[in-house]
Amino acid sequence: SQQGEEDPQALSIQEGENATMNCSYKTSINNLQWYRQNSGRGLVHLILIRSNEREKHSGRLRVTLDTSKKSSSLLITASRAADTASYFCATDADFGNEKLTFGTGTRLTIIP
Amino acid sequence: NAGVTQTPKFQVLKTGQSMTLQCAQDMNHEYMSWYRQDPGMGLRLIHYSVGAGITDQGEVPNGYNVSRSTTEDFPLRLLSAAPSQTSVYFCASSYKQEAYEQYFGPGTRLTVT
Repeated sequence: SQQGEEDPQALSIQEGENATMNCSYKTSINNLQWYRQNSGRGLVHLILIRSNEREKHSGRLRVTLDTSKKSSSLLITASRAADTASYFCATDADFGNEKLTFGTGTRLTIIP
Repeated sequence: NAGVTQTPKFQVLKTGQSMTLQCAQDMNHEYMSWYRQDPGMGLRLIHYSVGAGITDQGEVPNGYNVSRSTTEDFPLRLLSAAPSQTSVYFCASSYKQEAYEQYFGPGTRLTVT
């Protein structure tokens, strides 16, 4: 079963705009990660946020985590055509089973 | 470093055939795992290993076997291919377990007819 669910499933924006994707999960977690997947390629790690952190930045990426709502958001500012990809959240559940569980992804398209 | 490598990139099998998907990493990572990716379902964990000689099942292990005789290699064996195993397979590794950044290979696209 999927621990994480991304929303929206697909998003199209103009280049230069900001893109926001959300991830909701079901159980308590140790940490949450975001990955990017370009078409036909493997996943690339973007950022990891721990359960005791509320916000984290990396370049044009901003991730927030609200453990009370069991949700996270990924904000990409000043989007570029190269940001076109699928984005996945992955959670490391906090119940002794530390397997990483991926969501179904958000397909982001940046329109030049 | 080559990172995580997977072979082959593409494979077509007939129902009932067996084959091995190869995965290797040169980062001395303890943790390795296999995922399959199907449309609309994200990635699902097949098997994983926390070190040489140790393997365990993930979410969808049926029809697959793994072994980990060395730190570097983690092959995935399909015992008797079925059309339901048509998918893209990704191998990943990390320094330790999932709390660390996972490094993914480029994937193997498998079609079973």
